[in-house]
Amino acid sequence: DIMMTQSPDSLAVSLGERATINCRSNRSVVSTSNNKNYFAWYQQKPGQPPKALLYWASTRASGVPDRFTGSGSGTSFTLTISGLQAEDAAVYFCQQYYSTPTFGPGTRVEIK
Amino acid sequence: QVQLVESGGGVVQPGKSLRLSCVASGFDFTDYSIHWVRQTPDRGLEWLAVVAGNERDKNYSDFVKGRFNISRDKSKNTVFLQMDSLRPEDTAVYYCVRDSGTYLGLFFYWGQGARVTVSS
Repeated sequence: DIMMTQSPDSLAVSLGERATINCRSNRSVVSTSNNKNYFAWYQQKPGQPPKALLYWASTRASGVPDRFTGSGSGTSFTLTISGLQAEDAAVYFCQQYYSTPTFGPGTRVEIK
Repeated sequence: QVQLVESGGGVVQPGKSLRLSCVASGFDFTDYSIHWVRQTPDRGLEWLAVVAGNERDKNYSDFVKGRFNISRDKSKNTVFLQMDSLRPEDTAVYYCVRDSGTYLGLFFYWGQGARVTVSS
C-alpha cells in the first residue's frame, strides 16, 4: 500500500489568513497513461463524514469555495486555504486513489 | 440526491460476528462500486473493501481479508459488510462510500457512519 503522511499535525490560523497543509506519498501517484495525479483532499467536521474538497490534486469538487486550492504532483502535495473562514475549522485528510485507497493521518485546522 | 444509510452497528463481543447494511438511493445502483471505509481516533481512515456494480468483483484490505465479506443485492439497493471473528481493534465508525465511477477509489458520497464497538 502507498503510505501517506501529512504535516503539520495541527495548526492555528487567524481569520482571513492563509493555512497551508502538506501531504507526501511514499510512491508517485501520477499515472503515466494520462498524466493525472490520483490524489484528493477531504475536510471533516465533528460528527460528520469526510467531504471531498479537491481531486486530481487540484480540481475543486462541486460547491467548494475557490479559497481552497490544491497543488503538487508525484509524491508531494499542498492544500492552501486562503482567507480562512470560521467554517473552515476542521480536520483535513489527503488520499491517494492510484492504488488501493489510503489516507493521510489528518491535519487539524483551528481558528486562532 | 445520493444517499447512503448504514445500519447494523452496535456492541459485540470479541470473536463474534456483525453484519452492516448500507441502503443506497438517488443513483443507478448497478453503475457504481461501493466501498467500506472505517475510522478510528488512533488509525484514522482505513479503506476496507469494495464491491463492483456487477456484484462479482471484490477487493479487500489485507487486514480484513478472510474475516470480512462484502456483498451487494441490487434488488434491495443494499450493500452488506459481514464481519466475522471481530477483534477489539475493529472498534470504529464504519462508513459506506460510493465510488465516483466504476472502480476509481475517489469518494464524493459518504454515509453518516455506523459505530461498531468490540468489547467484552
